[in-house]
Amino acid sequence: SQTIHQWPATLVQPVGSPLSLECTVEGTSNPNLYWYRQAAGRGLQLLFYSVGIGQISSEVPQNLSASRPQDRQFILSSKKLLLSDSGFYLCAWSRRGNTQYFGPGTRLTVL
Amino acid sequence: AQSVAQPEDQVNVAEGNPLTVKCTYSVSGNPYLFWYVQYPNRGLQFLLKYITGDNLVKGSYGFEAEFNKSQTSFHLKKPSALVSDSALYFCAVRDPVGVNTGFQKLVFGTGTRLLVSP
Repeated sequence: SQTIHQWPATLVQPVGSPLSLECTVEGTSNPNLYWYRQAAGRGLQLLFYSVGIGQISSEVPQNLSASRPQDRQFILSSKKLLLSDSGFYLCAWSRRGNTQYFGPGTRLTVL
Repeated sequence: AQSVAQPEDQVNVAEGNPLTVKCTYSVSGNPYLFWYVQYPNRGLQFLLKYITGDNLVKGSYGFEAEFNKSQTSFHLKKPSALVSDSALYFCAVRDPVGVNTGFQKLVFGTGTRLLVSP
């Protein structure tokens, strides 16, 4: 069976500091990978998606970037965090054109 | 553009009673519809989906959803609610952008909080 992990579970960072969130998927190969942000416990906003290694598409212009160095690894980064980057970050995976399955999430607080 | 609406911010129901969480959609082409549930500080869990076929879709934890094309609705239902069903429920529709490349973009509703009282 497939599992998806996110690291860390919670993170408190000062404004202007760098960020690196990691997502890994087990039990499948060549998945589609997604990064979402959930603000205020409600709406989900798609930030990035990837259909293969090194292939990243951005949905909205922002202070964040994403990378996919390995087939089942997806990383969300920032060089300098803003207060507005606070939120709950969710990684998801899917097979081609199929249901998305979400990880447990990372709660980021920028102070 | 594809969209879903969840008109109720919160639904309250007593344990043992039937529950309905409403969702309406707007899409071009055939709708691919999904329901997810989110417990506090957790990721979203997939409940069920409609792609084609029977209008009544059965999913996890005793949930089901009824697809109604004429009313463009996809309401989530359960015959008998449990206190443990209390959570945030999201309806989503697939945006066909990128589907030919295997990428599936989902457009989510704003969520409905379900509170089941003992």
